[in-house]
Amino acid sequence: KAGVTQTPRYLIKTRGQQVTLSCSPISGHRSVSWYQQTPGQGLQFLFEYFSETQRNKGNFPGRFSGRQFSNSRSEMNVSTLELGDSALYLCASSPSTSGTYEQYFGPGTRLTVT
Amino acid sequence: ILNVEQSPQSLHVQEGDSTNFTCSFPSSNFYALHWYRWETAKSPEALFVMTLNGDEKKKGRISATLNTKEGYSYLYIKGSQPEDSATYLCAFKDYGGSQGNLIFGKGTKLSVKP
Repeated sequence: KAGVTQTPRYLIKTRGQQVTLSCSPISGHRSVSWYQQTPGQGLQFLFEYFSETQRNKGNFPGRFSGRQFSNSRSEMNVSTLELGDSALYLCASSPSTSGTYEQYFGPGTRLTVT
Repeated sequence: ILNVEQSPQSLHVQEGDSTNFTCSFPSSNFYALHWYRWETAKSPEALFVMTLNGDEKKKGRISATLNTKEGYSYLYIKGSQPEDSATYLCAFKDYGGSQGNLIFGKGTKLSVKP
């Protein structure tokens, strides 16, 4: 079974620009969660999608948005980038949203905002 | 705001030492507790998902226990090896997922010297 894939792996953007990151979950997994990791912080939950619906959203500004397609692939978008958005963005997939299934993480997208 | 604490932040041990770390979480509305291992330049990998008070799980030399009434979980590594060097993350989910699916601690970084 192929693992979770994320594209691109690395990205450099300028303040004020917007960016779209993509995540393809493991085949058959319908839940996709997104996390942000910055130095000194744990994984901060951004949002979770299940069957094309956002199920949960973390404490992030409205500049962060996401969506999920019918094939369970997910994208997250950050508009009006700020320097503080520089981080590793991880997505994780699991069969359901129950929280009792382990999450399978992708390799992440390293975003640098200059 | 729910908080998950892990201690210690970092740990340096010699090959062959046994070690343990702690994850503290809110004792009310417990639903599930996850442990992940995150090696440098790799994706976080699930170790255990625990749901019942008193649960004990084992995978090779690594084991974990869960006390939901007092809000803590221990991760034990017996006879540490250099390949055990990684950051170990725990993640908590409460009933209703008030802050999203999983709330991660900041991790314990383990370094095992040969």
